[in-house]
Amino acid sequence: GAVVSQHPSWVICKSGTSVKIECRSLDFQATTMFWYRQFPKQSLMLMATSNEGSKATYEQGVEKDKFLINHASLTLSTLTVTSAHPEDSSFYICSARLAGVPEQYFGPGTRLTVT
Amino acid sequence: SQKIEQNSEALNIQEGKTATLTCNYTNYSPAYLQWYRQDPGRGPVFLLLIRENEKEKRKERLKVTFDTTLKQSLFHITASQPADSATYLCALDGGHGQNFVFGPGTRLSVLP
Repeated sequence: GAVVSQHPSWVICKSGTSVKIECRSLDFQATTMFWYRQFPKQSLMLMATSNEGSKATYEQGVEKDKFLINHASLTLSTLTVTSAHPEDSSFYICSARLAGVPEQYFGPGTRLTVT
Repeated sequence: SQKIEQNSEALNIQEGKTATLTCNYTNYSPAYLQWYRQDPGRGPVFLLLIRENEKEKRKERLKVTFDTTLKQSLFHITASQPADSATYLCALDGGHGQNFVFGPGTRLSVLP
């Protein structure tokens, strides 16, 4: 149980284009979803927290106009990287949490490469 | 500001021995402390959670201790196996999704 999927698993895009990453909880309803970014040999950095039906809460230093998050349903959240630049190349990971349960269940991650 | 440290960036141990990983924190009062395993190129996998009022938690070969006075958690893997080789992350959780922060991780290698 508690499986989270991400799509795509990897994507290469040109500088200036936008990329959408999907995060789905497959066998449970996630009241809260989180988006993280991880650079090589570094730990996960929380980008934003989203609750279904409301606006995402972004961490300090994360541009909300650049990283658009939509939590349209209890099983789907999307992250859109707009006007991507090479420095946005990273490993993006989402996680989901059940109501009242503190542990997070992570997706397999999406490797984004901006050329 | 909040700070989380894990004892070392990398730890090598011999198969069959007990691996002990340390997580120390400052300027934080977590409601929970969680441990995750991450394999290269994959998302973290939840292992154990311990609450602020708990001293110890066990799950199969895993044991976690939590000392809120020392602001430290110890994570033990007994009878370690090469398959236990991975990066282990501790995470502090202020509760209700507040202030969830990961430590830098310790890369464990269990040598056959």
